[in-house]
Amino acid sequence: GAVVSQHPSWVICKSGTSVKIECRSLDFQATTMFWYRQFPKQSLMLMATSNEGSKATYEQGVEKDKFLINHASLTLSTLTVTSAHPEDSSFYICSARGGYGNEQYFGPGTRLTVT
Amino acid sequence: TQLLEQSPQFLSIQEGENLTVYCNSSSVFSSLQWYRQEPGEGPVLLVTVVTGGEVKKLKRLTFQFGDARKDSSLHITAAQPGDTGLYLCAGVGTSYDKVIFGPGTSLSVIP
Repeated sequence: GAVVSQHPSWVICKSGTSVKIECRSLDFQATTMFWYRQFPKQSLMLMATSNEGSKATYEQGVEKDKFLINHASLTLSTLTVTSAHPEDSSFYICSARGGYGNEQYFGPGTRLTVT
Repeated sequence: TQLLEQSPQFLSIQEGENLTVYCNSSSVFSSLQWYRQEPGEGPVLLVTVVTGGEVKKLKRLTFQFGDARKDSSLHITAAQPGDTGLYLCAGVGTSYDKVIFGPGTSLSVIP
């Protein structure tokens, strides 16, 4: 099946710094990529949808200036958490849609801890 | 806004028992999906149901899509400890633009 990777798998950063998370579709071209956030013992909350070459569409309540999304190619999307704060600590999961059947495939997630 | 509800939120059962998890919404979805997620990992797709009234089986798991395409159920027969995890239902919007997740059902199967 289609594979989606994320890098890094976990990251610890200091409050006030920025962190970039990469999402790659390894064996298919992803026309659309999605970014989710998941807090402990909760479900996945959609943050934004990005299409290659265009600006991301953010869900209500998600700050677009804080969570910068770039979808520069059909196989790579990045999420940059700017000026991170401890409350941004969470599990960030991307998914990519494309390939035969236009299915959506999820990455393994990135654990962000802001100290 | 399309919202999904799941019940129960938590479920702890003995190995060998049967269980059913429900997913409900007031909205119509083009399809519903069921995922299983283990701690620290991304969700893994179990099944997609598309047609109202559809029933799909995956070994000991049976999935059903309601006739009105607003609800779904997951039934597990003879649960095993390996079934432990977070089960998430997700609705695919009628415009196929995004997938919205329900709150999840945390299942624990005790040996």
